[in-house]
Amino acid sequence: ETGVTQTPRHLVMGMTNKKSLKCEQHLGHNAMYWYKQSAKKPLELMFVYSLEERVENNSVPSRFSPECPNSSHLFLHLHTLQPEDSALYLCASSQDRRMAIQYFGAGTRLSVL
Amino acid sequence: DAKTTQPPSMDCAEGRAANLPCNHSTISGNEYVYWYRQIHSQGPQYIIHGLKNNETNEMASLIITEDRKSSTLILPHATLRDTAVYYCIVRESTSGSRLTFGEGTQLTVNP
Repeated sequence: ETGVTQTPRHLVMGMTNKKSLKCEQHLGHNAMYWYKQSAKKPLELMFVYSLEERVENNSVPSRFSPECPNSSHLFLHLHTLQPEDSALYLCASSQDRRMAIQYFGAGTRLSVL
Repeated sequence: DAKTTQPPSMDCAEGRAANLPCNHSTISGNEYVYWYRQIHSQGPQYIIHGLKNNETNEMASLIITEDRKSSTLILPHATLRDTAVYYCIVRESTSGSRLTFGEGTQLTVNP
């Protein structure tokens, strides 16, 4: 148990669906992250939030829309996804956004049909 | 951040020490060495980090060479649950949000 909880663990969606991934951290951290891990590829940083403010967006397509209502919760809203978006989506948190020690959730395995 | 080089895969017998190497010949003076691991289909897990001195915690030991151009992560008594991809990452401790995960080393612990 890392203190970072992601739901759902598995998600199958069609290309016209809208769904959301949820992440909650119980560590009192100020920074939260979304990463994408495609098959046989290294982790890619998608978004960084610090104190509920988005501080980094790494050229992620607009069909991915993050939301951070407070420092404990992070969402990734998905719409009009493509099959190549199928991947493991990981949430992480750290004490603040400069810290290299990050705590990861177990991830959401997303399949887009 | 300095580039790291790790072997793609290693095997280890259960109960023996697993020694995972990492080369980081371009490391700069204020960059730390961090190790994470990722068990299949789970999120990465922080293991240990160090600057120049050797470090030990309940999970592993980290040995950094005197010139800091390479390091070794040691799991003293590997178990089947240690089978995972191990990532060596070099960066400053408070330089920004990016953790650059490379390909890592797939460690397989055999019974």
